[in-house]
Amino acid sequence: AQSVSQHNHHVILSEAASLELGCNYSYGGTVNLFWYVQYPGQHLQLLLKYFSGDPLVKGIKGFEAEFIKSKFSFNLRKPSVQWSDTAEYFCAVNPNNAGNMLTFGGGTRLMVKP
Amino acid sequence: NAGVTQTPKFQVLKTGQSMTLQCAQDMNHEYMSWYRQDPGMGLRLIHYSVGAGITDQGEVPNGYNVSRSTTEDFPLRLLSAAPSQTSVYFCASSYGTGTGGTEAFFGQGTRLTVV
Repeated sequence: AQSVSQHNHHVILSEAASLELGCNYSYGGTVNLFWYVQYPGQHLQLLLKYFSGDPLVKGIKGFEAEFIKSKFSFNLRKPSVQWSDTAEYFCAVNPNNAGNMLTFGGGTRLMVKP
Repeated sequence: NAGVTQTPKFQVLKTGQSMTLQCAQDMNHEYMSWYRQDPGMGLRLIHYSVGAGITDQGEVPNGYNVSRSTTEDFPLRLLSAAPSQTSVYFCASSYGTGTGGTEAFFGQGTRLTVV
C-alpha cells in the first residue's frame, strides 16, 4: 500500500522566513499530488496540485511545490511566510487517478511568530 | 452553491450508542468519501463511493457503515460507538477520474467525542 511521509511534525518560523515542508511518497506508478491546508478550526482547503507537465507548480497565497519523480518527493515552499500562514499542512497522494481515494501524510503544524 | 455540507458539527456519544453523520454535496460529484483525522496521523480513509449504489472500504472501515442511495448524500453510520472512534470526521467529494478530476472538496468536519 502507498504511504506518504511528512518529515516535520512541527515547524516554528518568524514572519518573512522562508518555508520548505518535505513530503515523500512510496508508490511507483503515476500519481496525482496535492497539498492541503487546514487553518485552525476549519476544513481542508486545496493549496496546489500536480497532475502532469511542469514539475514546479504554483498555488494560492504564494505557495509552490516541486515534484521530483526520481526522489518521490513533492516539497512545499514559500519564500516569505506570514503570520496568517499558521496552519496545519497535509501532503496527499492519489495513485492511478483513483477517484478521490487520497492517502495523506501525518501533517505538519506550522506556527509563524509575528 | 454550498459545496460539501456535514451535520452535525459537534457530537458527544456514550459508548454503545449509535448515530449517523450526514454528508451532502450539491456539485453532482460521482466520488464521495469519509475520512477520520487523528493527531499526528493525517486523514485516514474510512469508506468511499464511486457512485450511487456503490461503496467500498478504505483503510479503517471497522465500526462504520455507509450507503449511497443518491448522488448527493453519503451518510456514515456508527452502529455501536467506542471511545476509539473519538475523532474529527471529514466528508469529501470529487467529480471523477482523469486529469483535474481527483481534486477533493472537503466538508467542515464533525468533531465526535465518545465517552
